Amino acid sequence: EIVMTQSPATLSVSPGERATLACRASQNVNTNLAWYQQNPGQAPRLLIYGASTRATAIPARFSGSGFGTEFTLTISSLQSEDFAVYYCQQYHNWPLTFGGGTKVEIK
Amino acid sequence: QVQLVESGGGVVQSGRSLRLSCAASGFTFSRYGMHWVRQAPDKGLEWVANIWSDGNKYYPDSVTGRFTISRDNSKNMVYLQMSSLRVEDTALYYCARDFCTNGVCSFDYWGQGTQVTVSS
Repeated sequence: EIVMTQSPATLSVSPGERATLACRASQNVNTNLAWYQQNPGQAPRLLIYGASTRATAIPARFSGSGFGTEFTLTISSLQSEDFAVYYCQQYHNWPLTFGGGTKVEIK
Repeated sequence: QVQLVESGGGVVQSGRSLRLSCAASGFTFSRYGMHWVRQAPDKGLEWVANIWSDGNKYYPDSVTGRFTISRDNSKNMVYLQMSSLRVEDTALYYCARDFCTNGVCSFDYWGQGTQVTVSS
């Protein structure tokens, strides 16, 4: 099983600032990496797939990068609606696995 | 627009069974793979089951032999039959659509979830 590790667990950021979230895979997943956002009480929403492609209607302030085992999600200028929990997921091998999440909170 | 609506959750005793349903609309259901993903209270996401458009299925070890995913393309429905339920199966269960393009995949639409609570 591929273990996905996200860091930090919690990130405190001021509105308008940049946030950088990390995701590490225990094995190579090429670019089979997706990022999801989950707001309280809501279902997850796809942000990024293929490590770097924004999903439909996702604002340009969200960007993803990485290949193999190291990945990054960057939010260039945090808006109020961006304070949420973010999950990475690998879709390279079965079983599909998610990281434990990074909570982005208001500083 | 794409909609996924889960139902069938509830409170059930440990060792019993429960069947979840997911009604899909707004897309050609038969062409897409579907997944179930769960989230225990205040925990992260855990993938539970997948069924491809051709009927092939995958499960993680944690539910293999206890959970069965199925689909009815004539009704645009996907199901999760859960048996021998354990307290640790307590979670909000989401239905999600598989999305694959250029060799990479993800879950592009999610339902709002149905709550399953297993009591001892």
